[in-house]
Amino acid sequence: AQSVTQLGSHVSVSEGALVLLRCNYSSSVPPYLFWYVQYPNQGLQLLLKYTTGATLVKGINGFEAEFKKSETSFHLTKPSAHMSDAAEYFCAVTDPGGSYIPTFGRGTSLIVHP
Amino acid sequence: DAGITQSPRYKITETGRQVTLMCHQTWSHSYMFWYRQDLGHGLRLIYYSAAADITDKGEVPDGYVVSRSKTENFPLTLESATRSQTSVYFCASSRDRRSEKLFFGSGTQLSVL
Repeated sequence: AQSVTQLGSHVSVSEGALVLLRCNYSSSVPPYLFWYVQYPNQGLQLLLKYTTGATLVKGINGFEAEFKKSETSFHLTKPSAHMSDAAEYFCAVTDPGGSYIPTFGRGTSLIVHP
Repeated sequence: DAGITQSPRYKITETGRQVTLMCHQTWSHSYMFWYRQDLGHGLRLIYYSAAADITDKGEVPDGYVVSRSKTENFPLTLESATRSQTSVYFCASSRDRRSEKLFFGSGTQLSVL
């Protein structure tokens, strides 16, 4: 069975500050990992993904995430927050060798202060 | 490029009524999903479908019915709505089993009074 834990239901940062959203996963096999972003009143859209290969993956809007197997983590970062980054962020895990259905975390709401 | 569309965008209904939420995708994706989004629970899978006429239960299927007679449509029916089914419902699709990405609709906000 696979699961995802997102630490912190809300994260608040100032504009220009570092963004760090935490995601830890549990999986019995090497997972595929995803971050999705949900802007207000919209559906989710893919921000970035890790499948195989390079453990540091870059996504849209300056976000990146690093897969750390030893820590079972896939934290999302952005060097400098922008007001437009305010949204809900979801981490998800898929078992590529078995069930293809992604399991989502509970989400982290990013608040950006001017 | 219409993508994946959900209707209605907002729905208010009363306890005990039947409600159907529609989902339509134009990509001919094989897989389709229904999720509900609730505060503190994130996204929970209700039902999914691997192809036309193939559906299966997810994490929270009770009180819901789905059908998929055509590849592009995946309606979700609440047979007798309850207040606990007040939620935001998202439909999603993916190209195939090994697809690395889900495409989401804009959601239906359902209130059961």
